[in-house]
Amino acid sequence: GAGVSQSPRYKVAKRGQDVALRCDPISGHVSLFWYQQALGQGPEFLTYFQNEAQLDKSGLPSDRFFAERPEGSVSTLKIQRTQQEDSAVYLCASSLDTGHQPQHFGDGTRLSIL
Amino acid sequence: AQSVTQPDIHITVSEGASLELRCNYSYGATPYLFWYVQSPGQGLQLLLKYFSGDTLVQGIKGFEAEFKRSQSSFNLRKPSVHWSDAAEYFCAVGTGKLIFGQGTTLQVKP
Repeated sequence: GAGVSQSPRYKVAKRGQDVALRCDPISGHVSLFWYQQALGQGPEFLTYFQNEAQLDKSGLPSDRFFAERPEGSVSTLKIQRTQQEDSAVYLCASSLDTGHQPQHFGDGTRLSIL
Repeated sequence: AQSVTQPDIHITVSEGASLELRCNYSYGATPYLFWYVQSPGQGLQLLLKYFSGDTLVQGIKGFEAEFKRSQSSFNLRKPSVHWSDAAEYFCAVGTGKLIFGQGTTLQVKP
């Protein structure tokens, strides 16, 4: 497609369940980013891939969060043993590279943990 | 520490009036600066970016921003606001990993 696609758009899970969020970046985009946006806040960086290599995961809040991009295109963000504080919108962005090219964002996945 | 501050949490302007949204940043190197807009339930749309060169940059939807290194600012402006401009605006800084401000909610009065 023309833009970054994220699925599902909405996800409700019970505390303790595992969830998986998917991101399809723009075709040909080398760089892929995940951000977490809490209600009323700006997005906060989680992790970054260049092709299939995860070059920065400094923003992942705990070892319950795991991201992968095995073939350098689609990426999955997995959260294990979800907690209520994980409730947020998870945004994915992609760019041609990490130099002068801006990031293009998907519409996000709104995750609610009950 | 790298950070972005948007001092105004909420701004209300009348339709047709001018607009200025403030952004101040703290960044160790020459910054790449961005303004994004977010409508409810949507992702972020890039309005404009500054990498180097002319400090006054033009963006989409009639927006412009001015980079002032001496003030560590990158304020967003529009001469005449339209009702459809009501949204959340985010200033961001970075190369690759972006650091965002808290956002400014713009309300437009008819």
